[in-house]
Amino acid sequence: AQKVTQAQTEISVVEKEDVTLDCVYETRDTTYYLFWYKQPPSGELVFLIRRNSFDEQNEISGRYSWNFQKSTSSFNFTITASQVVDSAVYFCALSEFNNDYKLSFGAGTTVTVRA
Amino acid sequence: GAVVSQHPSWVICKSGTSVKIECRSLDFQATTMFWYRQFPKQSLMLMATSNEGSKATYEQGVEKDKFLINHASLTLSTLTVTSAHPEDSSFYICSARGPGTPLHFGNGTRLTVT
Repeated sequence: AQKVTQAQTEISVVEKEDVTLDCVYETRDTTYYLFWYKQPPSGELVFLIRRNSFDEQNEISGRYSWNFQKSTSSFNFTITASQVVDSAVYFCALSEFNNDYKLSFGAGTTVTVRA
Repeated sequence: GAVVSQHPSWVICKSGTSVKIECRSLDFQATTMFWYRQFPKQSLMLMATSNEGSKATYEQGVEKDKFLINHASLTLSTLTVTSAHPEDSSFYICSARGPGTPLHFGNGTRLTVT
């Protein structure tokens, strides 16, 4: 069975601060995909990243960066110099490698960025 | 723009009535669609997977007779909540994929049963 744990329920920061969201996963598969999604108050899910399990290279996209540590089963997400528009719920998700459309989501972390 | 459209965005219905939610892929053929349910401040829980032209596969604990899923065409899947009750109030989100396309999510439907 697959399981994704996002231990942080809510995080509140002041604008321009960095914020790191933790994600720990469990799976019996040797190959799999990991995802991060953003859900703003409007409700839609915005895709941020997909990472396969055999690529442990960290990734940076603008103010977003991801740290994948297979040894600790973690896929953490950092927002650098946060902005008010970053306020949202962020979900980490996991899928089987051969079925990367069937996602198991974590509970989500609500990020509030105050001006 | 949105490639998966959900309708309605929100709906209020009386207890005992049925509600249909539509999920449409706008510019691709959605061979597979997924339906999720999200309670307030909680995660998305997969309810069922539907492949075009075949019966949906429901996740454990999801009542098939209560949540009817139809995927009759390559661009449309519907979720019907039958005999809705207040505990069915939730946010329902669909996602869709087609051959060679990434997974796209709809904007969700907020259902309130009074």
